[in-house]
Amino acid sequence: GQNIDQPTEMTATEGAIVQINCTYQTSGFNGLFWYQQHAGEAPTFLSYNVLDGLEEKGRFSSFLSRSKGYSYLLLKELQMKDSASYLCAALDSNYQLIWGAGTKLIIKP
Amino acid sequence: GAVVSQHPSWVICKSGTSVKIECRSLDFQATTMFWYRQFPKQSLMLMATSNEGSKATYEQGVEKDKFLINHASLTLSTLTVTSAHPEDSSFYICSAITSDVYEQYFGPGTRLTVT
Repeated sequence: GQNIDQPTEMTATEGAIVQINCTYQTSGFNGLFWYQQHAGEAPTFLSYNVLDGLEEKGRFSSFLSRSKGYSYLLLKELQMKDSASYLCAALDSNYQLIWGAGTKLIIKP
Repeated sequence: GAVVSQHPSWVICKSGTSVKIECRSLDFQATTMFWYRQFPKQSLMLMATSNEGSKATYEQGVEKDKFLINHASLTLSTLTVTSAHPEDSSFYICSAITSDVYEQYFGPGTRLTVT
């Protein structure tokens, strides 16, 4: 079956760095997305990786290892506004998005 | 670019009535639109996938006669919750993709409360 695993909740301190891991098992693979979702709002796009390696975009970076079925989202210089849920989603061979349950990130001052 | 709107943003209706939610792609043509439901503190649950001009594909466990989806044009899809009940109260979110980009552009969501 198809499956996405990510931690349910993480806590970090303002100004610090946090890494949110995601492992996936899908029928075929056409890339991995990370979305941010604040409570009561729709998800917003953060990143898309289809090749192995690290993609950096400001304070956020996303890494992919296709051979390991693994990705992570790295958030640097954490700010209180980064408190949100982070959703990992893999695109399978039919170009369907398989969603993880999301990781709730709590930032403490 | 790539803006998706939803209307209404929130709606309260009485049990037994029907509610229609619209999803529009404002600046692009959406070959495929997705409808999600999200209960509090839970992740997105895909309800159905719709392609313009064809019948929607519903996920297992989603009643197609209760959640009517129409994708009449490349910029508009509608979800009608028929004979709504309190357990249908949820956050409904649509998203859209174009034929050449697989990033899903999300609408702002519609909060439905059935009393």
